[in-house]
Amino acid sequence: EVQLVESGGGLVQPGGSLRLSCAASGFTFSSYEMNWVRQAPGKGLEWVSYISSSGSTIYYADSVKGRFTISRDNAKNSLYLQMNSLRAEDTAVYYCARGHSSSWYDPPAWFDPWGQGTLVTVSS
Amino acid sequence: EIVLTQSPATLSLSPGERATLSCRASQSVSSYLAWYQQKPGQAPRLLIYDASNRATGIPARFSGSGSGTDFTLTISSLEPEDFAVYYCQQRSNWPRGTFGQGTKVEIK
Repeated sequence: EVQLVESGGGLVQPGGSLRLSCAASGFTFSSYEMNWVRQAPGKGLEWVSYISSSGSTIYYADSVKGRFTISRDNAKNSLYLQMNSLRAEDTAVYYCARGHSSSWYDPPAWFDPWGQGTLVTVSS
Repeated sequence: EIVLTQSPATLSLSPGERATLSCRASQSVSSYLAWYQQKPGQAPRLLIYDASNRATGIPARFSGSGSGTDFTLTISSLEPEDFAVYYCQQRSNWPRGTFGQGTKVEIK
């Protein structure tokens, strides 16, 4: 069974840092692109960051660029999100999600599956 | 930036009824649109991708249609487990895909 399990969320003060992890199982992690997507309380979904299967290509949403760093360890089947200079507006449930392609020549633009999410609360 | 507008915000229906959800893009996204279902306290689940392709394991009562700027998710006969929030997502400016604001399908 394909499974993604996030951890590392919690309460942090504005300006603080937090590192999220996502443990993958049930598939060949090193063959798949991965993403972080977040959802503020009671709000919609926002893509945060993407990393290619090898880790060589990375993208960020403008809202987190320069503050967040995505990485992966294929030997440990794990995805990470280092979040620095956190702001109140970063408060959200953070999901890791595997990239899904329609075909071999299409980008892995869809998200399937998703982990259960981890809550990050930025507050003093 | 491409903006996706979903309507209605809330759809009140009874089990067994047909649900029709709309997603409109501010500019053409070709057929690069997906639909997700999210139940309370759960992660989203991919239902439809490329406007009309059902994801693995998704029941046939879910169908998607449309291209360009206007898209529809249809649930042919609502089951109790289908009451949830549904989001559309476009990938024309991948990887910066954007989501709609969601449509809540609630029990009437």
